[in-house]
Amino acid sequence: EAGVVQSPRYKIIEKKQPVAFWCNPISGHNTLYWYRQNLGQGPELLIRYENEEAVDDSQLPKDRFSAERLKGVDSTLKIQPAELGDSAVYLCASSPHRQFSYEQYFGPGTRLTVT
Amino acid sequence: AQRVTQPEKLLSVFKGAPVELKCNYSYSGSPELFWYVQYSRQRLQLLLRHISRESIKGFTADLNKGETSFHLKKPFAQEEDSAMYYCALTGGGNKLTFGTGTQLKVEL
Repeated sequence: EAGVVQSPRYKIIEKKQPVAFWCNPISGHNTLYWYRQNLGQGPELLIRYENEEAVDDSQLPKDRFSAERLKGVDSTLKIQPAELGDSAVYLCASSPHRQFSYEQYFGPGTRLTVT
Repeated sequence: AQRVTQPEKLLSVFKGAPVELKCNYSYSGSPELFWYVQYSRQRLQLLLRHISRESIKGFTADLNKGETSFHLKKPFAQEEDSAMYYCALTGGGNKLTFGTGTQLKVEL
């Protein structure tokens, strides 16, 4: 099994440009998470989906960040416009069942550099 | 609010020496605590959780509610244990709060 797939793995953009990250969770996993990991920090949750519903987006900076999971499978996270402070690793994770939320399976991440 | 503190950014030990990675937490209710590990060039993955009370790869962790700690221990470090270790907490919901991580380096 491929595990959680993320694309692209690396992205370098200039500030004020838009950027999008894609995630395909493990087949059958209902819950999908997007995290941001700044250098020297642990992952911080941005948004959590249960199927296609965003059930926790309290940490998502909604002025420039948006996310969608239209069919309850893969998901896209977008930043528009990007700022220098958005440079980080963006992690996607999925889990099989709400009851077992701690069994989160992580993707390899997308390393974003904003210049 | 829930908070996880890992006071050491880097811990360096010799092979065969005991290891203890410190984790303290702040949470008003009954937390669930976990250790995640990230080996070089690999994904973040679950190592163990307190509720299962199991030993994984020789590592154990005991939840001490009095000291609000969940330290990760191993009696004899191996070279393959070198990795980044994150302590994480959930208050029973689906939100994991991670610490800042400790880089463990096992030297020969």
